Amino acid sequence: GAVVSQHPSRVICKSGTSVKIECRSLDFQATTMFWYRQFPKQSLMLMATSNEGSKATYEQGVEKDKFLINHASLTLSTLTVTSAHPEDSSFYICSARPSGTVKKLFFGSGTQLSVL
Amino acid sequence: AQTVTQSQPEMSVQEAETVTLSCTYDTSESDYYLFWYKQPPSRQMILVIRQEAYKQQNATENRFSVNFQKAAKSFSLKISDSQLGDAAMYFCAYRSNRHSGGYQKVTFGTGTKLQVIP
Repeated sequence: GAVVSQHPSRVICKSGTSVKIECRSLDFQATTMFWYRQFPKQSLMLMATSNEGSKATYEQGVEKDKFLINHASLTLSTLTVTSAHPEDSSFYICSARPSGTVKKLFFGSGTQLSVL
Repeated sequence: AQTVTQSQPEMSVQEAETVTLSCTYDTSESDYYLFWYKQPPSRQMILVIRQEAYKQQNATENRFSVNFQKAAKSFSLKISDSQLGDAAMYFCAYRSNRHSGGYQKVTFGTGTKLQVIP
């Protein structure tokens, strides 16, 4: 089956620094990727929709200057948490939909971000 | 906006028994997909089963089946012959079949934690 690689799986950083998370589709092209945030014991909340070659679409309440998304190729989307603060600590998950199909969505394994 | 509701925060089932997880949703659309995802302790999201709204027949995948009631906007998951490996968080999810704007996004319910008792 299709594989989505998300890296790193875990990152600890100091407050005020920036962290980049990569989401890569290994064996398919993905026109659209999605970034979710999950707090402990809660559901996945969509942060933004990443479209290859264009600006990301952010959900209401998500600061686009803080959560920078870049989808420069059909196999890679990145999420950069800028000037991270402890309240940004969370589990971030990406998902990707293969181009040409509307049915299947594949998820990365997630990134646990801890901001000290 | 679409909403997905899972009213059972936690459920438990005896190994080899059957359990049903509930899900209701709200939408004004007629063409959409519904999903059940499993999230084990590894936190990797795994698709369990998918239902297309225009199909009346309930989807089945081995021990997993759904009861899709479109008029009632209900989409329950039945797990038969429960196994220890079924223990996980289960999320019900909705996605519109419209292709424009932000309609590709998936909306998740709050999840049901399933415990399987040996």
